[in-house]
Amino acid sequence: DAMVIQNPRYQVTQFGKPVTLSCSQTLNHNVMYWYQQKSSQAPKLLFHYYDKDFNNEADTPDNFQSRRPNTSFCFLDIRSPGLGDAAMYLCATSREQYNEQFFGPGTRLTVL
Amino acid sequence: GEDVEQSLFLSVREGDSSVINCTYTDSSSTYLYWYKQEPGAGLQLLTYIFSNMDMKQDQRLTVLLNKKDKHLSLRIADTQTGDSAIYFCAESMGSGGGNKLTFGTGTQLKVEL
Repeated sequence: DAMVIQNPRYQVTQFGKPVTLSCSQTLNHNVMYWYQQKSSQAPKLLFHYYDKDFNNEADTPDNFQSRRPNTSFCFLDIRSPGLGDAAMYLCATSREQYNEQFFGPGTRLTVL
Repeated sequence: GEDVEQSLFLSVREGDSSVINCTYTDSSSTYLYWYKQEPGAGLQLLTYIFSNMDMKQDQRLTVLLNKKDKHLSLRIADTQTGDSAIYFCAESMGSGGGNKLTFGTGTQLKVEL
């Protein structure tokens, strides 16, 4: 089945130790998104790629970076995780700009 | 600015209808969505409505949109225990080739036997 896959599902890292979260999709969608969802809060968009074009949200900290080496994969890099970065990170895709977004299962990040 | 609000909790009995409400402030939204999130899981798209529509029905789900009042609702008919989850409404606007979703605070639906 076509889907959005996130690995790992659970990630534990140490304060300040770089971490990379992975998202892949078999939908061949042009747009890929990364959202951060803290406990009991709504998901918040960090950035998205339209094809190879990167679009950062104005309030996304510099600590968060992203890479999209090809259509299928998109990575979220957290350069120096702080305790406040512990959250669920959700990847989503959409075929084009105004199409609905399909979400992966998320990666829950714990920072020790 | 964008601000999407929902009531935090709703409790219903199995077999009854559930109505989850949402208000938004940005009148330029193109689509409005309803997503379901079960514990520890990602978001599942339930349904969506284009901003020039008033109503959309999809099996047990009915979406009503009052654009004048910026009010969106989701009605679930014959609510089942499997419907227990958090429901997020979201408004969307185009942004940089993508589609920025602004989510509401989420409504936790509890279905009791």
